[in-house]
Amino acid sequence: AQKVTQAQTEISVVEKEDVTLDCVYETRDTTYYLFWYKQPPSGELVFLIRRNSFDEQNEISGRYSWNFQKSTSSFNFTITASQVVDSAVYFCALSGLTWNGGNQFYFGTGTSLTVIP
Amino acid sequence: DAGITQSPRHKVTETGTPVTLRCHQTENHRYMYWYRQDPGHGLRLIHYSYGVKDTDKGEVSDGYSVSRSKTEDFLLTLESATSSQTSVYFCAISEWGEANQPQHFGDGTRLSIL
Repeated sequence: AQKVTQAQTEISVVEKEDVTLDCVYETRDTTYYLFWYKQPPSGELVFLIRRNSFDEQNEISGRYSWNFQKSTSSFNFTITASQVVDSAVYFCALSGLTWNGGNQFYFGTGTSLTVIP
Repeated sequence: DAGITQSPRHKVTETGTPVTLRCHQTENHRYMYWYRQDPGHGLRLIHYSYGVKDTDKGEVSDGYSVSRSKTEDFLLTLESATSSQTSVYFCAISEWGEANQPQHFGDGTRLSIL
């Protein structure tokens, strides 16, 4: 079964601190894809990054970085020098194919990040 | 931004009434999805469509039906709404069905059933 666990329900940090959001997944597929989405207070869901299962290189995009480790089934997200605008709910998701095409996303329960000025 | 419009954005209705939510896309994407978002559950797939008139169930499909008569529109219907269906509903689209495709989401519909 496909499953994503985000054990951190809520995190608060002071502005400029670094913060890491954890994501642990379960899948029997040998090829799979992991995603992170951001949901700001306005409510929309914004796609941040995609990672495939055969590429374990870490990725950095500005203040954001992602650490993918197959050995621990984790895909963690770090924000460096956090800013108030980073305050949002962050979702990790695992993608699985359906029998008739289409990819079903399995979402974690989300981590609510509050950055305090 | 992906061209996805959900309507209505907010709705309050009573138990037992039928409700239809609409998702309209201008991207001509083949795949469309309906999710619900609830505290403690993240987003869960209700139904999805892999083409015009082609739909299938997701993990929480009980009490919901869908229809897709044209590429751009995907309707979600609650035949007889219950309070447990109070939620925020998101429509999503993807161009292809491969697992590496990100899904792009509409702005959501907040539905309250009293």
